[in-house]
Amino acid sequence: GAVVSQHPSWVICKSGTSVKIECRSLDFQATTMFWYRQFPKQSLMLMATSNEGSKATYEQGVEKDKFLINHASLTLSTLTVTSAHPEDSSFYICSARDRGLGAYNEQFFGPGTRLTVL
Amino acid sequence: QKEVEQDPGPLSVPEGAIVSLNCTYSNSAFQYFMWYRQYSRKGPELLMYTYSSGNKEDGRFTAQVDKSSKYISLFIRDSQPSDSATYLCAMIKAAGNKLTFGGGTRVLVKP
Repeated sequence: GAVVSQHPSWVICKSGTSVKIECRSLDFQATTMFWYRQFPKQSLMLMATSNEGSKATYEQGVEKDKFLINHASLTLSTLTVTSAHPEDSSFYICSARDRGLGAYNEQFFGPGTRLTVL
Repeated sequence: QKEVEQDPGPLSVPEGAIVSLNCTYSNSAFQYFMWYRQYSRKGPELLMYTYSSGNKEDGRFTAQVDKSSKYISLFIRDSQPSDSATYLCAMIKAAGNKLTFGGGTRVLVKP
């Protein structure tokens, strides 16, 4: 149980285009979803937290107009990288949790999406 | 200074050896301590979590937390090549809070 999927698993796009990444909780309702970014050989950096039906809360230094997050349903959150540039190339990972699920409101991670901007 | 420090490695051990990983942290408010394993180009998967101080064992894995020293450890016994991965420590101040990750340690178990 508690499976989180991401789509696509990898994407290559041209500079200036927008890319949408989906994160789905497959067998539970995710009241909260998180988006992380990970550069090679580095740890996960939290970008934003989103609660279903509410605006996302962005971490300091993350451009909200650049990284649009939508959490319109209890099983789906999307991250749109707008006007992508090569420096946006990274591994994007989502996680999801439901209140009361898991021992400490555990976050369940998706498999990640590798974005390469040419 | 980062809130959670973790040696990046790489840590190379022969198959069957004990792998010893650790993290130090600075904020005494952390209450829950987790260890994640991440294979290359995959999302992290939770290995173990511990609440407050103490030891916890699960199969070949043992997690230890020493809150007085702000130091946590993960031991992997009888290591296998399939244990080769990056291991991330993480911690939260209370249930439902944001995770704070260490930088991760790369582990390579050689056959």
